[in-house]
Amino acid sequence: GQQVMQIPQYQHVQEGEDFTTYCNSSTTLSNIQWYKQRPGGHPVFLIQLVKSGEVKKQKRLTFQFGEAKKNSSLHITATQTTDVGTYFCAGLGGAGNMLTFGGGTRLMVKP
Amino acid sequence: EAGVAQSPRYKIIEKRQSVAFWCNPISGHATLYWYQQILGQGPKLLIQFQNNGVVDDSQLPKDRFSAERLKGVDSTLKIQPAKLEDSAVYLCASSPVRNTEAFFGQGTRLTVV
Repeated sequence: GQQVMQIPQYQHVQEGEDFTTYCNSSTTLSNIQWYKQRPGGHPVFLIQLVKSGEVKKQKRLTFQFGEAKKNSSLHITATQTTDVGTYFCAGLGGAGNMLTFGGGTRLMVKP
Repeated sequence: EAGVAQSPRYKIIEKRQSVAFWCNPISGHATLYWYQQILGQGPKLLIQFQNNGVVDDSQLPKDRFSAERLKGVDSTLKIQPAKLEDSAVYLCASSPVRNTEAFFGQGTRLTVV
């Protein structure tokens, strides 16, 4: 079945440093969604990318969808302590066109 | 706008017992999902409903798990009998349109001892 992998699993950064998480799918995706989960909380939707090569920005967050629609990335510029949490990508594709979550990247920010 | 409501928030049961979780999605959302999230992992889709019909339940362990969505609104997920490996957070989510932005509830943390 469809697999979605994320790297790294964990990332410690100093406040103000940049952060990037990468998402790779075993199959071509119809779209990819990104979610953020704060410690002890539930996933909260950030964005959805649909088009090949698409780039979207939300303030300090930049999301990219690969040309082949099999990979994606999330880049945070100048991290803040409020960015702490686990970032999940979720790819729509494979048999049945179902949404499959990656394992997540846990971001920790030192003030 | 009210969010996705789930109950209970926490549940501790012994293995081989049964348990049920309840979810009330956002009003008007046709799609409802149940996810299992084991500590340190991403959510795993168990079952997806479109109104009151099942769209996908390929990852639902049907020998012990069952789910229903009567009248296309509320949903219940049941585990009978529970195993130790069922310890996880069970998340319910809903979407206005299938496979678009999902709104998650707070989840039910299940501990099987």
